[in-house]
Amino acid sequence: SQQGEEDPQALSIQEGENATMNCSYKTSINNLQWYRQNSGRGLVHLILIRSNEREKHSGRLRVTLDTSKKSSSLLITASRAADTASYFCATGRNTGGFKTIFGAGTRLFVKA
Amino acid sequence: SAVISQKPSRDICQRGTSLTIQCQVDSQVTMMFWYRQQPGQSLTLIATANQGSEATYESGFVIDKFPISRPNLTFSTLTVSNMSPEDSSIYLCSVQDRASYEQYFGPGTRLTVT
Repeated sequence: SQQGEEDPQALSIQEGENATMNCSYKTSINNLQWYRQNSGRGLVHLILIRSNEREKHSGRLRVTLDTSKKSSSLLITASRAADTASYFCATGRNTGGFKTIFGAGTRLFVKA
Repeated sequence: SAVISQKPSRDICQRGTSLTIQCQVDSQVTMMFWYRQQPGQSLTLIATANQGSEATYESGFVIDKFPISRPNLTFSTLTVSNMSPEDSSIYLCSVQDRASYEQYFGPGTRLTVT
């Protein structure tokens, strides 16, 4: 079963705008990861944020985590057409064995 | 990050047959995972495969249908048995970095069952 729910399901923006995607989850976690998947391609790991962290940056990416609200957000600044892809959050939990469960994903379309 | 390869990259199979997918990692890893991604959908965890122990299956997945081997710290196989068209999907192997907990994925095996 999927732990994460992502919002919005789809997002269309103009090049140069910022894109924000949100992820909510139901149970406690050890970490949360964000991935990108271009159409028909493999998954690219973007960033991991631990449960004791609140914010992380990587280039044009900014991830926040609010464990009290069980939610995370991924912000892509100054978006480019090449950012067009599906973005997934994935929550990691250690419950007698570590596992990572994926959310439904957000389809981002950046118009040139 | 680990480099993960999968074989085959794609296959078209007849219903009722079985396919074994191989996953090779360029470094030793303790934890390996198998996921399925149906067309237009997200990833669903099938099972966790740790070397030296039986695979742990998620709800809805059983060993008879998806037997897994994990003979060493760099290799695993997933077999999709007695296939039906509903098994048409992309199957992905994944490993977890022991230090960072970051999880990386192979390129996937695109399976079509006719």
